[in-house]
Amino acid sequence: AQSVAQPEDQVNVAEGNPLTVKCTYSVSGNPYLFWYVQYPNRGLQFLLKYITGDNLVKGSYGFEAEFNKSQTSFHLKKPSALVSDSALYFCAVRGQNRDDKIIFGKGTRLHILP
Amino acid sequence: EPEVTQTPSHQVTQMGQEVILRCVPISNHLYFYWYRQILGQKVEFLVSFYNNEISEKSEIFDDQFSVERPDGSNFTLKIRSTKLEDSAMYFCASSALSTGQETQYFGPGTRLLVL
Repeated sequence: AQSVAQPEDQVNVAEGNPLTVKCTYSVSGNPYLFWYVQYPNRGLQFLLKYITGDNLVKGSYGFEAEFNKSQTSFHLKKPSALVSDSALYFCAVRGQNRDDKIIFGKGTRLHILP
Repeated sequence: EPEVTQTPSHQVTQMGQEVILRCVPISNHLYFYWYRQILGQKVEFLVSFYNNEISEKSEIFDDQFSVERPDGSNFTLKIRSTKLEDSAMYFCASSALSTGQETQYFGPGTRLLVL
């Protein structure tokens, strides 16, 4: 069965510092991996995805994520956090089998301190 | 940039009443989805829809739920007889394809409160 875990409910980072939001997953076979962000009163916005190829994926707003197959992780990173990055972040995974559905993590609230 | 839109943004209803949540997917997309997020919990898949029929549904999507694309633009989720536990944020999404790697684009959600 597919699953995705975001072990931290909340992450606090000072503005200008690097940030990491953790995600681990479990699928049979190779995964498709996604990060979405949700700002208050808004829907989920796509940030980036890993399909195949380079393990380091670059996305919107300066975010990137690194696919690590041996650790089954897809942590979201940004070198220098902005206050405007404060939001709820969701990791999602989908297996490559035809019947696999996208599964979301429970979300991590990122709080950037000015 | 094209967006998925949803109406209403908030809906309050009495238990046992029917509600219809509306979505306008991105215009050239062919695959449509509904998800829900109970407060403080995960985003959960409900149903996917393609070519005027349901392609997949989860165990949550029981007989009280139905989806429809009544015209060329709207995609609706109907809950026939709402229960307290249906209170959640409901998200519509759409994608151009359904290859698994295709990005799904989400609307802002409808917050449903069942009293």
